[in-house]
Amino acid sequence: AQSVAQPEDQVKVAEGNPLTVKCTYSVSGNPYLFWYVQYPNRGLQFLLKYITGDNLVKGSYGFEAEFNKSQTSFHLKKPSALVSDSALYFCAVRERHRYSTLTFGKGTMLLVSP
Amino acid sequence: DGGITQSPKYLFRKEGQNVTLSCEQNLNHDAMYWYRQDPGQGLRLIYYSQIVNDFQKGDIAEGYSVSREKKESFPLTVTSAQKNPTAFYLCASRDDPGTENIQYFGAGTRLSVL
Repeated sequence: AQSVAQPEDQVKVAEGNPLTVKCTYSVSGNPYLFWYVQYPNRGLQFLLKYITGDNLVKGSYGFEAEFNKSQTSFHLKKPSALVSDSALYFCAVRERHRYSTLTFGKGTMLLVSP
Repeated sequence: DGGITQSPKYLFRKEGQNVTLSCEQNLNHDAMYWYRQDPGQGLRLIYYSQIVNDFQKGDIAEGYSVSREKKESFPLTVTSAQKNPTAFYLCASRDDPGTENIQYFGAGTRLSVL
């Protein structure tokens, strides 16, 4: 069975500082990995994905994530946080077969202070 | 949230009542999904459908039912057997189940019990 762990319920960072939101996963074989963001009372918005190739993936709004196979991690990063980045972030994983479904982590609330 | 419409935005259920949540997509996607979101628990898969007239149970299907009579529509019924229905419900769709394509989400329906 596949699973995702987001060890931090909340991450606090000051505007302008770098941010990291952690994600580790467990899956059979090589994974498909995703990050989504959710603003209050809204659906999830896609940020970025890792499928294959370069371990550093760049996505929307200046976010990036680094795939580390040996540590089974896919941490989300941004060099300089904005107050508007404050939201709930979800990491998700699925297996590489045709009808696999996504498994989500429990989410990490990112709070960026002015 | 574009392309997937969930209605209503807010829904109230009385004791012993069945209620139906609507999900319509105009993205011509084959696969559709229903998730339940509770605070601190992330997203949990209720039901999914890979193709019209076919659907499978997810991790928490008890107390719910679905149908997939049309490609663009995947309604979810919360039955009276679901004893704790208060949650935020999210519908999603994906293009070809065999690819790494992105899963897109609707804006959600918040269900409360009167």
